[in-house]
Amino acid sequence: SQQGEEDPQALSIQEGENATMNCSYKTSINNLQWYRQNSGRGLVHLILIRSNEREKHSGRLRVTLDTSKKSSSLLITASRAADTASYFCATDINQKVTFGTGTKLQVIP
Amino acid sequence: DGGITQSPKYLFRKEGQNVTLSCEQNLNHDAMYWYRQDPGQGLRLIYYSQIVNDFQKGDIAEGYSVSREKKESFPLTVTSAQKNPTAFYLCASARSSTSGNTIYFGEGSWLTVV
Repeated sequence: SQQGEEDPQALSIQEGENATMNCSYKTSINNLQWYRQNSGRGLVHLILIRSNEREKHSGRLRVTLDTSKKSSSLLITASRAADTASYFCATDINQKVTFGTGTKLQVIP
Repeated sequence: DGGITQSPKYLFRKEGQNVTLSCEQNLNHDAMYWYRQDPGQGLRLIYYSQIVNDFQKGDIAEGYSVSREKKESFPLTVTSAQKNPTAFYLCASARSSTSGNTIYFGEGSWLTVV
């Protein structure tokens, strides 16, 4: 069973706009991570947030974590066409790392 | 170069045959993982290994087998018992740490049953 569920499943925005993706999970976690995947390729790690952290930034990325709601969000600011990809959240429970269903982001130039 | 190497990139299998996908890493990582991805879908965990000579079933282990005889290698065998094996298979590794396992992925192997 999928531990994480992202929404929306697909998102289409204009270049320069912000993109927000959400992830909900089912059980307590050690940390939550976000990854990016270009079509037909392996995933690339973007950011990790620990269970005792609430917010983390990395460049144009901002991740929040609400353990009481078992949810996380990924915000990409000032989007670029090169941000077009699928984005996945992953939860780590005692080294068992499982991924959500993903959000497919399209940034239109 | 350091990284994770999966081979072959593309593989065709006849029904009823077993096939083994190779995964090698030179990152000195303790943990290794196998995931399956169907078109347009998320990743599902098949097996994972935290240490040599030990591995655990993931969420969809039926019809698959693995071994972890060396730290660098974590081959996946897709057996004839796997009813729908056509998919994209991703191998990954991670260095275990208290802050969490950041996972590094190979480029994947496409398996098609013909």
